[in-house]
Amino acid sequence: EPEVTQTPSHQVTQMGQEVILRCVPISNHLYFYWYRQILGQKVEFLVSFYNNEISEKSEIFDDQFSVERPDGSNFTLKIRSTKLEDSAMYFCASRPEGLIGNTIYFGEGSWLTVV
Amino acid sequence: GNSVTQMEGPVTLSEEAFLTINCTYTATGYPSLFWYVQYPGEGLQLLLKATKADDKGSNKGFEATYRKETTSFHLEKGSVQVSDSAVYFCALRLAGAQKLVFGQGTRLTINP
Repeated sequence: EPEVTQTPSHQVTQMGQEVILRCVPISNHLYFYWYRQILGQKVEFLVSFYNNEISEKSEIFDDQFSVERPDGSNFTLKIRSTKLEDSAMYFCASRPEGLIGNTIYFGEGSWLTVV
Repeated sequence: GNSVTQMEGPVTLSEEAFLTINCTYTATGYPSLFWYVQYPGEGLQLLLKATKADDKGSNKGFEATYRKETTSFHLEKGSVQVSDSAVYFCALRLAGAQKLVFGQGTRLTINP
C-alpha cells in the first residue's frame, strides 16, 4: 500500500539552528499537510498546501516556519530558528483531490528535539 | 468553533473485555468523522471513518456510528486484544475544509 514517508525519523538540534523536515507524499495526492504533536498533547494542524501554495495555516505557523515543494515528489517543512518549544513530533500527511470524507494519510513522523 | 472531546485516559482493560472510547464533537457544519490509531513508535493510521449521520465505520473489529443527535462518534470493540494497545484519536473534518481537528487522544492498554 502506498505510504507517506518522512525523514529524518529523529533529529536533535541546537536552539537557534535551522531544521528541514522532509516528506514524500503519496504520489497521486494533491493536498499536503504538516501537523505536530508536542509530547502528551493534541495533534495540531500547522499548514496545508495545494497547487503549489499554502491554502490554510494555523496561528502556530508563524514566520519562522515555511513549506516548499521543491520538485514533483518532496514536501518540506523548514523551521528557521528553532526554539525549545518547537520540540515535537512533526507529521506530514497527504490526501487525494475530492470532497467529503477523503482520507488524510499520515507519515510515521519526525521527532524533533531542540536543546 | 470546531472541537473534539475524547474520554480521558489512560484506559486499562483485560484481554477480551468490551471497549468503549467516547468521542463527542462540536462543529459549525457537517463534518466527516474519523478514528486514528497510533501504535507505539509509529505514526497515525486511519482506523475507520464515517461521512454522514447514521453511517457506521468499521475496521479490525472496531466500530463507530455517527450520531448527529448526540454529536458523538464513540469507538467500540467487543473483545480487545493485547495488540490493540495504542493511542486512539477521534477527529473531524468539515466538508470543504482542509484540516483535521483532533481530540486529545486516549491511551489504551490491554493486559493479557
